[in-house]
Amino acid sequence: QTVVTQEPSFSVSPGGTVTLTCGLSSGSVSTSYHPSWYQQTPGQAPRTLIYNTNTRSSGVPDRFSGSILGNKAALTITGAQADDESDYYCALYLGVGIFVFGTGTKVTVL
Amino acid sequence: QVQLVQSGAELKKPGSSVKVSCKASGDTLSNYAINWVRQAPGQGLEWMGVFIPFFGTSYYAQKFQGRVTITADESTSTAYMELTSLRSDDTAVYYCALYYYDSATYSYSYWFDPWGQGTLVTVSS
Repeated sequence: QTVVTQEPSFSVSPGGTVTLTCGLSSGSVSTSYHPSWYQQTPGQAPRTLIYNTNTRSSGVPDRFSGSILGNKAALTITGAQADDESDYYCALYLGVGIFVFGTGTKVTVL
Repeated sequence: QVQLVQSGAELKKPGSSVKVSCKASGDTLSNYAINWVRQAPGQGLEWMGVFIPFFGTSYYAQKFQGRVTITADESTSTAYMELTSLRSDDTAVYYCALYYYDSATYSYSYWFDPWGQGTLVTVSS
């Protein structure tokens, strides 16, 4: 079974930069997996941040960016703000209609 | 812009079934693939499966094969997720989420947007 791994947690200072990653249990993540990223605050539905590796969803600030770093998908927050404190999930398309979400990263801004 | 509204919270007994609905407004469901994603308390997001109305096909995560059925009624723009043989660890918030299917180019959008507001399903005796 495919497992998609993310860092459990990160702490970043206001105005700082943090990079979250999204890796596969076997193999490398490439653009062919159509990586997407979602932000979720407690009690709310997820919000789409990034799709197709590096395209920002409508209304998403440009301090959020997506990329492939080495063999993983990555989400970078540049100039973190207090309201970026959330859980972040990646999703990968495995083919034949199948998706899998990453384990999620809790980001704290302090 | 399509919007999704899900049915209300459910309390179910172990061994029973639940059927959650997701009503779309603003566009026809045939332009989308309808996914269901769940989140157990304090846990991460878990993709359960998808139904593609244009083709009438569905795909499910291996974990849920045989227990979940995703359908859609295009006349009412409503999608459904039925989960059977409920257990206590099925207690979760269940979300519907769409991705776009372009029948002109036979291509998918491969990301989930929009999302429903979520439906809490509690399984308890």
